[in-house]
Amino acid sequence: GIQVEQSPPDLILQEGANSTLRCNFSDSVNNLQWFHQNPWGQLINLFYIPSGTKQNGRLSATTVATERYSLLYISSSQTTDSGVYFCAVGGGSEKLVFGKGTKLTVNP
Amino acid sequence: GAVVSQHPSWVICKSGTSVKIECRSLDFQATTMFWYRQFPKQSLMLMATSNEGSKATYEQGVEKDKFLINHASLTLSTLTVTSAHPEDSSFYICSASDPSGRANYNEQFFGPGTRLTVL
Repeated sequence: GIQVEQSPPDLILQEGANSTLRCNFSDSVNNLQWFHQNPWGQLINLFYIPSGTKQNGRLSATTVATERYSLLYISSSQTTDSGVYFCAVGGGSEKLVFGKGTKLTVNP
Repeated sequence: GAVVSQHPSWVICKSGTSVKIECRSLDFQATTMFWYRQFPKQSLMLMATSNEGSKATYEQGVEKDKFLINHASLTLSTLTVTSAHPEDSSFYICSASDPSGRANYNEQFFGPGTRLTVL
């Protein structure tokens, strides 16, 4: 099955800094989603981005499907951005395979 | 986006008892729902795919007789953990996609999760 690798596993930033999270996947996909898991466990949909580039406020994402990676950019980070960011991909079926996540800590 | 709810949010039970968790799609119909399990500080692992009106499809290593799934309507799937033991303590999360009228036909939306503690 599809393998998903996220990097870095942990990231510590000062408030206001920018960051880039990476997601590599091993096969072609028809679904790629980025999520933020808040402290209560809820997964918040950030982007649905099997290809191309999208932006939503301080967050943006790019997926280069031919090279099998996706990037999540966080600009001017805030303490409320802290949490775990997951990348999940789907191949031919509807099932999603999750990466291990990047734990982001933003210090004031 | 589509809204998915779960009930209960948390449950504590004694070893040997059974626990039922509900997953509902609130503003759309879901022919397929998914059940995941997440242990502390780990990622989400798919347990099974729940299909409305038919049997669930379980991932390798997941005991279908222990984790009973029923998807009796287009808005409700239930997961029953039978004869629960402490090792079943985990965070259970469901998801669904709403293919009708959406450009992102296979985008999945997740419920808030159910934290199960078995004593």
